[in-house]
Amino acid sequence: NAGVMQNPRHLVRRRGQEARLRCSPMKGHSHVYWYRQLPEEGLKFMVYLQKENIIDESGMPKERFSAEFPKEGPSILRIQQVVRGDSAAYFCASSPRGQGAVGANVLTFGAGSRLTVL
Amino acid sequence: ELKVEQNPLFLSMQEGKNYTIYCNYSTTSDRLYWYRQDPGKSLESLFVLLSNGAVKQEGRLMASLDTKARLSTLHITAAVHDLSATYFCAVDQNRDDKIIFGKGTRLHILP
Repeated sequence: NAGVMQNPRHLVRRRGQEARLRCSPMKGHSHVYWYRQLPEEGLKFMVYLQKENIIDESGMPKERFSAEFPKEGPSILRIQQVVRGDSAAYFCASSPRGQGAVGANVLTFGAGSRLTVL
Repeated sequence: ELKVEQNPLFLSMQEGKNYTIYCNYSTTSDRLYWYRQDPGKSLESLFVLLSNGAVKQEGRLMASLDTKARLSTLHITAAVHDLSATYFCAVDQNRDDKIIFGKGTRLHILP
């Protein structure tokens, strides 16, 4: 079991370019979460998706950021027209459970994608 | 909106000492998680606490949950250098499974 796979691990972009971060969940997991971690800060929730459906995007900035989890392929976090403040580690996590499920909802995290905006 | 607060945020302690990290959360929930993150690495699950009074122990770490006080504690007994890491608590919001993390407690154990 390969676990949660994120790529790229490191991404460098210039201001105004686009960044695309990919996440393949663990086998059998149907739900994906994206978090952003800034230096010296905790994990900030961004978005929670299941296949072809955004469940909660209350943590996503209203502009320039979008996320998808298509029926086939990885989940993608897309940042358009990046700015220096977007530099951070972006973590993806997956879970086999869905909304309102009983019991534990333990997340399995990927290794993260570290975005640097020059 | 659910808020999760940890304290302290930084903790430097001597090997062999005991200490406790606190996690408070703002709304009703009976599902609390503790994760560990080593520098530059991902997060790994440590404990899952699913009911009031739940206590879990693994080695020198013990976690407990008081849902009435909306408080969880992570107690470290006789700390060793290998426990140096950042520890996060996280809470489910009821009914929608959005999981909110605290800012983390960076623990540095001095030999």
